Amino acid sequence: SAVISQKPSRDICQRGTSLTIQCQVDSQVTMMFWYRQQPGQSLTLIATANQGSEATYESGFVIDKFPISRPNLTFSTLTVSNMSPEDSSIYLCSPLGTGAEAFFGQGTRLTVV
Amino acid sequence: GENVEQHPSTLSVQEGDSAVIKCTYSDSASNYFPWYKQELGKRPQLIIDIRSNVGEKKDQRIAVTLNKTAKHFSLHITETQPEDSAVYFCAASRGGTASKLTFGTGTRLQVTL
Repeated sequence: SAVISQKPSRDICQRGTSLTIQCQVDSQVTMMFWYRQQPGQSLTLIATANQGSEATYESGFVIDKFPISRPNLTFSTLTVSNMSPEDSSIYLCSPLGTGAEAFFGQGTRLTVV
Repeated sequence: GENVEQHPSTLSVQEGDSAVIKCTYSDSASNYFPWYKQELGKRPQLIIDIRSNVGEKKDQRIAVTLNKTAKHFSLHITETQPEDSAVYFCAASRGGTASKLTFGTGTRLQVTL
């Protein structure tokens, strides 16, 4: 499986600020998925990022709140904008493997105070 | 969209016993069904997966079965060990370029001595 590097691993942020999470993969991947895992909950897909096109957002998630960049086939960023305590979650990137297997980055544990 | 239900939410078994976790899905076009194990504070790890052209798959102590007609799939862990204690998530996707995963709500497995 690909080596996935996600950072930061954790952060504590003030409400109203923004945090950008980076995800680097050691091989080219067609798609990058971004998931959110709220405390004690399952994983929910935020958006799918393809290179060269705008990300596709799931219901309940909007680009202004979670802008995504995908400048090349090995890198993507997710920004959590204008944060509130409700955004406190673990955020995970997941590159799409060649056989559709999904592996996850280490996750970013975000706490908004 | 896809909806995945998972049962039970918690499961306690004695070491050496078997554990079974069941999931149902709603989208008949789903054809890829992975299972993830998430230990406390860690990322989800893919432990086994099955595709719709296969009815059963086994890897040492873990196995997954799929019933396409009934749209349900199950994870079986035999000879459970304390290190099997974790939260397990099932998921489903259509695969290929539509590989976004829809996750079940998770099962917290506790293996007691």
